Order: sequence, then C-alpha cells, then structure tokens
Amino acid sequence: DVKVTQSSRYLVKRTGEKVFLECVQDMDHENMFWYRQDPGLGLRLIYFSYDVKMKEKGDIPEGYSVSREKKERFSLILESASTNQTSMYLCASSLSQELTGANVLTFGAGSRLTVL
Amino acid sequence: GQNIDQPTEMTATEGAIVQINCTYQTSGFNGLFWYQQHAGEAPTFLSYNVLDGLEEKGRFSSFLSRSKGYSYLLLKELQMKDSASYLCAVSEAAGNKLTFGGGTRVLVKP
Repeated sequence: DVKVTQSSRYLVKRTGEKVFLECVQDMDHENMFWYRQDPGLGLRLIYFSYDVKMKEKGDIPEGYSVSREKKERFSLILESASTNQTSMYLCASSLSQELTGANVLTFGAGSRLTVL
Repeated sequence: GQNIDQPTEMTATEGAIVQINCTYQTSGFNGLFWYQQHAGEAPTFLSYNVLDGLEEKGRFSSFLSRSKGYSYLLLKELQMKDSASYLCAVSEAAGNKLTFGGGTRVLVKP
C-alpha cells in the first residue's frame, strides 16, 4: 500500500523554537506539498516541490521554509515558531501531471503542532 | 488567485441523499477534485472531473459545469460511515498544485 509518512503525529513547542516536520513517501512521486489545515479555513498551501532541490512558494509561505534533498523526503521548517503557527500540518505527494493527466494527491496522516 | 466556496455543514438521515455544492472562480482550470476526510485522518481521494458532466462511482457521483464554475458531490444511500468532511479542490491550469475550499462537514443521523 502506498504511503506518505509524517514523522511526528503530535508536537508541542515553545515560541521561538526551531521546528522540523519531516515527510517521506515511498511512491517515487515527483511532486510533494505541505499544507496547513485550520478550522473554517480549509487546507492552505505553504510550499511545494516538483523535483529534488526545487521548491516553490504556495499561498502562505511566510514564516516557513522547506528542504528537498532527496526525492522521497520533503521537510518543512519553522525557523522561529510562533503561536499563530499552531495548526494541523499535512504533507502530500503526487505523480507529475504530465504522466497521469490528473494530479491526485496522497496525504499523510498529519502532524498537529501546538506552539505555546 | 482562486476562490472556492462550499457550505460549512450539512445534516442528513441514514439512507437519504445529500448534495454538496462547490462553486469556484479561477483564472485557469485544469480539473476539480473531491476528497473525503474523516475526523483526525488524512484526506482521501474520491473523484476527479475535468470535462462537463456526471462521473459516477458507486454511491458517490460528481458533476461539473465549467461554464458555470460549479460542481457537486452527490452521496446516495447514506451510511453512518459517510459522516466526514468533504473537500472540493481545483487544479490550476499550470502546475500541479491544488487549491482547496473550506470543506463541508456532513453529519449522518440515524
């Protein structure tokens, strides 16, 4: 069964701490995404990547950065966590749209981050 | 940018039919997706429409009208396990990212 695995299901951090959220997929997908999900706001795209070492800003990149050193791994970094970054973070991956014609996302189970 | 609207919450009775509407305004369009998300779980793919018309998959159907910027997800013969959030998402013409609506929480009552 294909999988997107997020390293931490629940995290509690303090304001100002550096936070790493890790995501690994075993499907050899080209595309990887980081979303955050908040009540009433739905899923909002933070960053995405089409290939190794490539990254593009999504709709809400401020306060975040990403790293994609290997095809299977996409990391989300909060350089200095703030309370407004308390949220559910969802990682997803998909095949290149040129190959499939439809970019169906496979999601991880999510990482719930609380910043105190 | 893209604007995607869907109702916040709907309630229906077991065995009934529920229709979840989604309207979108986009500068480009390359397909519309529906995902199901149970509480505390990852969203899972339900359907994809890129051409106008109805796509049927068992108890679930999805409809698209590109000229009206409108889609709906139809859930028939509702079961208790269908209680979940249903997410409408649109793919831009360029690139592979999806933009999601706020989600519709469906509560199925006995």
